[in-house]
Amino acid sequence: DTAVSQTPKYLVTQMGNDKSIKCEQNLGHDTMYWYKQDSKKFLKIMFSYNNKELIINETVPNRFSPKSPDKAHLNLHINSLELGDSAVYFCASSTMMNTEAFFGQGTRLTVV
Amino acid sequence: KQEVTQIPAALSVPEGENLVLNCSFTDSAIYNLQWFRQDPGKGLTSLLLIQSSQREQTSGRLNASLDKSSGRSTLYIAASQPGDSATYLCAVRKETSGSRLTFGEGTQLTVNP
Repeated sequence: DTAVSQTPKYLVTQMGNDKSIKCEQNLGHDTMYWYKQDSKKFLKIMFSYNNKELIINETVPNRFSPKSPDKAHLNLHINSLELGDSAVYFCASSTMMNTEAFFGQGTRLTVV
Repeated sequence: KQEVTQIPAALSVPEGENLVLNCSFTDSAIYNLQWFRQDPGKGLTSLLLIQSSQREQTSGRLNASLDKSSGRSTLYIAASQPGDSATYLCAVRKETSGSRLTFGEGTQLTVNP
């Protein structure tokens, strides 16, 4: 069974569109994260939720809006996509006690 | 602000060699440190987690050490194999609950048959 799963794996879309990436974890963790990996392969935190509450919000454009319907899901919605949004987005989960973090397989977003 | 540096950026070795990957961090107030492996086009696979109170962790041919006071960690890979070829990432967590992982830029390892 996949611990942290993201869909879709690949997403190609035109500038200006709105898209969503879904993430689910079956580990019973209470904290979920979104990370962005840029073209230079550097991973950086975007958001973190604990039990559906936002606890980390980095300097991310307002066009990015995370939504957590329950503690097992953290979706990422992106409005008005721009070329610079092209990257690989990773979902991760752990606990508030900073236990081992597990990552999804990533979603490669390409904006054309 | 925590900064994590990994040296070398790339490493190429012949099969069978023992090797060491280095990770350093600027703020020693960490909760734990985690080593990951990333294969091309794939996600991150957790290799080892070291708590700040620990000095080392071992899993199979992998051994990770932590010197929190000097801000350093090493990942030792014994008897390297071509299947070990991947990018290895080091990440640290601050001493606050639910904190983020701060990543280094990774070491790209190639093990040649």
